[in-house]
Amino acid sequence: NAGVTQTPKFQVLKTGQSMTLQCAQDMNHEYMSWYRQDPGMGLRLIHYSVGAGITDQGEVPNGYNVSRSTTEDFPLRLLSAAPSQTSVYFCASSSYNEQFFGPGTRLTVL
Amino acid sequence: GESVGLHLPTLSVQEGDNSIINCAYSNSASDYFIWYKQESGKGPQFIIDIRSNMDKRQGQRVTVLLNKTVKHLSLQIAATQPGDSAVYFCAENMRNSGNTPLVFGKGTRLSVIA
Repeated sequence: NAGVTQTPKFQVLKTGQSMTLQCAQDMNHEYMSWYRQDPGMGLRLIHYSVGAGITDQGEVPNGYNVSRSTTEDFPLRLLSAAPSQTSVYFCASSSYNEQFFGPGTRLTVL
Repeated sequence: GESVGLHLPTLSVQEGDNSIINCAYSNSASDYFIWYKQESGKGPQFIIDIRSNMDKRQGQRVTVLLNKTVKHLSLQIAATQPGDSAVYFCAENMRNSGNTPLVFGKGTRLSVIA
């Protein structure tokens, strides 16, 4: 089992560019989520999904889109990157009892 | 790389001593609580969880205490080791309401002095 994988590990974008952060899990978990982590702010939920074809907004969804076409994959799309989206992004998947996090993507928007 | 900044509460503990990390949660309807450990440059890692029908749960070298009256959660680490140095987060949600998203606290940095 690879667990939760995220790509890329690092990314630098210019303001206005778009990109997709990839997340995949091989544990057959129904529940997946995306968080961003900023200094002193802990982890804040962006979007989550309770199963293929179902997504919902979290605490800070603006500027991000998600889709869940398969159980395994949950990509996060930045439509038009802004400096305020500079952060570390974590994807997670969970069974009923435990949430597993990926290693994170460090994104810088110039 | 450091993903949390300079404004986190910090707890410094001598190696071998016990550590107590505290967390005040916000939602009185929360019924499930988790402690995570995050080492520098890595994602959060599950340590221990507790449900609201319990007030104490023990793992290997760790104990979680839950006081629902004052909405307080603590993590006790026995015989703290240098490898315990990390940022610790508490998280809460409402499992009895259909596995709602986790809400994380801001974290506490634990520094172990050798």
